[in-house]
Amino acid sequence: QVQLVQSGAELKKPGSSVKVSCKASGFTFRTYGVSWVRQAPGQGLEWMGGTIPMYGTANYGQKFQGRVTITADDSTSTAYMELSSLRSEDTAVYYCARDFCISGADCYLFDHWGQGTLVTVSS
Amino acid sequence: SYVLTQPPSVSVAPGQTARITCGGNNIGSKTVYWYQQKPGQAPVVVVYGNSDRPSGIPERFSGSNSGNTATLTIRRVEAGDEADYYCQVWDSRSDQVVFGGGTKLTVL
Repeated sequence: QVQLVQSGAELKKPGSSVKVSCKASGFTFRTYGVSWVRQAPGQGLEWMGGTIPMYGTANYGQKFQGRVTITADDSTSTAYMELSSLRSEDTAVYYCARDFCISGADCYLFDHWGQGTLVTVSS
Repeated sequence: SYVLTQPPSVSVAPGQTARITCGGNNIGSKTVYWYQQKPGQAPVVVVYGNSDRPSGIPERFSGSNSGNTATLTIRRVEAGDEADYYCQVWDSRSDQVVFGGGTKLTVL
C-alpha cells in the first residue's frame, strides 16, 4: 500500500534551517509528484511547493520562493523539504503528499499524505 | 494571485444536509478537490475532479462546481463528519496550488 513516512519533530532556533524527509513506498516514486503542505497551529493548509522526481524540477509557492528547497532522491524514494531563515511564524506541522493526476491536465490531487512533522521555531 | 473563499463555519443537525461553499473567480473552469481533516490527523480527499469520490468515501459526500462557486454537499450528516473541510485548485495562470481557508463543520 502507498505510504509516506516523514522524519521526526524538530526544534530550531530563529535564523536556522530545517530539512524534513518523506520516504515513499508502495508506488513508483519517480513517476509521481510530491508536494509539501504546511499547517500552522489552528490555521489552514498552505502549499509550499512540489517536485516530480522523474524530471528533477520543482515548483514553489510564491510565499516561500527563495526560502524553500524541495528535492527528491529517486534511489531511496525520499523527498526532502528544506526551509531556511526560520522565524517563529514557521512553527507548523509540515506534510508531504503524493500528487496524483486524474487526467493529463488535472494534477495536484493529494491522494496520500505523510503523518506530518512538527517544526517548532523558538529561541 | 488566485483566492478561494470558504465560510469559517457551518453547523447542521444530524441527519440534515450540510453545504460548504468555495468561492473563486470563474472556479467553474477549474478542477476542485475537497479534503476532510479531523483533529490531529492529515487531510483526506473526499471529493475530486469536482464530483467524484475515492473508494471508501460514502455516497453521502458529493460535489458540484459552476460559475464562481464550488460546493461540497454532505447528506444525512453524522457526528463522525464533524471536521475541517478544505477546497483546493491548481491555478494554471500562476502555476500555483491554492487552498481555501477551511470550513469547520459542527454537528449539533
